[in-house]
Amino acid sequence: AQKITQTQPGMFVQEKEAVTLDCTYDTSDPSYGLFWYKQPSSGEMIFLIYQGSYDQQNATEGRYSLNFQKARKSANLVISASQLGDSAMYFCAMREGEVIKAAGNKLTFGGGTRVLVKP
Amino acid sequence: DGGITQSPKYLFRKEGQNVTLSCEQNLNHDAMYWYRQDPGQGLRLIYYSQIVNDFQKGDIAEGYSVSREKKESFPLTVTSAQKNPTAFYLCASSPHRGTGANVLTFGAGSRLTVL
Repeated sequence: AQKITQTQPGMFVQEKEAVTLDCTYDTSDPSYGLFWYKQPSSGEMIFLIYQGSYDQQNATEGRYSLNFQKARKSANLVISASQLGDSAMYFCAMREGEVIKAAGNKLTFGGGTRVLVKP
Repeated sequence: DGGITQSPKYLFRKEGQNVTLSCEQNLNHDAMYWYRQDPGQGLRLIYYSQIVNDFQKGDIAEGYSVSREKKESFPLTVTSAQKNPTAFYLCASSPHRGTGANVLTFGAGSRLTVL
């Protein structure tokens, strides 16, 4: 079974509007972390936001917020007030287990969602 | 500035040749990772290393080899045994003994094309 599922292969969004990118995950480990990365056409991966499984509040970083619904195993990314520079691929990723344990910090990635912001 | 340097950015090789991709970091991170990305897809883990002289296979290690002789360096060799080596390769690092988010920092990637 897929551990990270991103069901939207691509989306258009109007500049200045908000957009929600879906991510569902599958793990039996009570301790995990969820990440969102942005990949512009240049290829580098840019970290956007993080949510720990024990975090009580939804994470926010500037225009990015994470809608964490633990019971539904979803971690959707919301980008508010979209800008042309937000056009990119967006990846949801998960770390299973405690980061300080021997398993390290390896991440499992979803297939990504391509966002195109229209002026 | 601290970061991860991958080289070369673009690489063309003939089928059957081994290729080594370089990854160097000056972030003083303990852990390093290699991921592969195929067009329109997510990243898949090839190998990772939590400490010098130690590394573990990821999900798609067949046809690849790595070494970790120095903390700063984690080169990846794509061998002739790799059936479909044409891909975008991303190196990353993290402070393995950290807490909380322990974010992976990525290099700019190396695009390998086998002719």
